[in-house]
Amino acid sequence: DAKTTQPNSMESNEEEPVHLPCNHSTISGTDYIHWYRQLPSQGPEYVIHGLTSNVNNRMASLAIAEDRKSSTLILHRATLRDAAVYYCILRGYGGATNKLIFGTGTLLAVQP
Amino acid sequence: AAGVIQSPRHLIKEKRETATLKCYPIPRHDTVYWYQQGPGQDPQFLISFYEKMQSDKGSIPDRFSAQQFSDYHSELNMSSLELGDSALYFCASSALQGPTYTEAFFGQGTRLTVV
Repeated sequence: DAKTTQPNSMESNEEEPVHLPCNHSTISGTDYIHWYRQLPSQGPEYVIHGLTSNVNNRMASLAIAEDRKSSTLILHRATLRDAAVYYCILRGYGGATNKLIFGTGTLLAVQP
Repeated sequence: AAGVIQSPRHLIKEKRETATLKCYPIPRHDTVYWYQQGPGQDPQFLISFYEKMQSDKGSIPDRFSAQQFSDYHSELNMSSLELGDSALYFCASSALQGPTYTEAFFGQGTRLTVV
């Protein structure tokens, strides 16, 4: 399984943008880049995913490097409810490659 | 909207006992995944099922078994429980859509405590 590398922790102020980086230099052509987050004592929650192009949804934006070896999750205006562990995960499709493998995510702290 | 339902939410068992965890996926989702998350750890993939057949296997102990039933719900059976099995167990579901899968939706988890 291709691996991802994320900073262990980051800090942000409320209502400011947050850029969470992820490196995935061994990504294969069929891997989608997924982001999930987990609040304390809750199940992981889907945030966003993409393949090659940048993606936007109501929760966040995903910026993918041209060579796909890195990506950045962008929270446009952090709120206290965004404090969580954010996981960047490569997910293949089809057969046995669709499972999500969680690495060590980024613990995001949001200061009021 | 219907979410992934897990039961029970909390379970306390003694060492060497057995436990059964249940997972009810989102309607029309054909794939179920099981994860184990120990205290302060990241979720670890255990096993997955697609259309009632095991599709992938992770670090699941031989003492554990799982299956997916005709109504797509899944059960994780754990025998000879050990103290180290105390963890949060998450179930997730997704659906095959063309060549890819939809995003996975996770349940709230079952907290298993072995004493």
